[in-house]
Amino acid sequence: KNEVEQSPQNLTAQEGEFITINCSYSVGISALHWLQQHPGGGIVSLFMLSSGKKKHGRLIATINIQEKHSSLHITASHPRDSAVYICAVYLGGGADGLTFGKGTHLIIQP
Amino acid sequence: DTAVSQTPKYLVTQMGNDKSIKCEQNLGHDTMYWYKQDSKKFLKIMFSYNNKELIINETVPNRFSPKSPDKAHLNLHINSLELGDSAVYFCASSQISGVGQPQHFGDGTRLSIL
Repeated sequence: KNEVEQSPQNLTAQEGEFITINCSYSVGISALHWLQQHPGGGIVSLFMLSSGKKKHGRLIATINIQEKHSSLHITASHPRDSAVYICAVYLGGGADGLTFGKGTHLIIQP
Repeated sequence: DTAVSQTPKYLVTQMGNDKSIKCEQNLGHDTMYWYKQDSKKFLKIMFSYNNKELIINETVPNRFSPKSPDKAHLNLHINSLELGDSAVYFCASSQISGVGQPQHFGDGTRLSIL
């Protein structure tokens, strides 16, 4: 079982819709990352958060440490938001890097 | 200026060969990482390295070895390439290792083994 679970795996929506992507993790962490991977393959860090809520433009990320859950929201979605969104956590130990969810493939249709 | 740069972007080679992927960061970060993204797009940590310590994911075959000539570089050497090594390899860096630091990723190197 993956330690980081994302849902949905795939999401297709119409331009303008409000989008929510969820992430749950199985162990206690101190911080969680949301990443974006475009079809070209590059990975961009969107947010790193350890409590509460962060907002950047039309993107909002929330985290509830007690419930081990985070959400990424996109308001007024646009076709250029089409990408894979990846949740990642730092679990400690191991190789000291991030542990990733399997990603949510988002398509926004015009 | 590109913050984390990897070369080459594409690498096609025969099974059994030895190859290297280079990574450089100009952010002044202390920690660098190598990640592997498989055919199902799942990312997994391979190594993390700072000035003092190399931490290796136990699932990584010892044919893979990171080499750091200086703080700004972490190159990935792969010996005796196998078909299963075909993947996209991402280099990343962060200010220091650990939980509270954003990571900056390179654009990835797509390795294809024939």
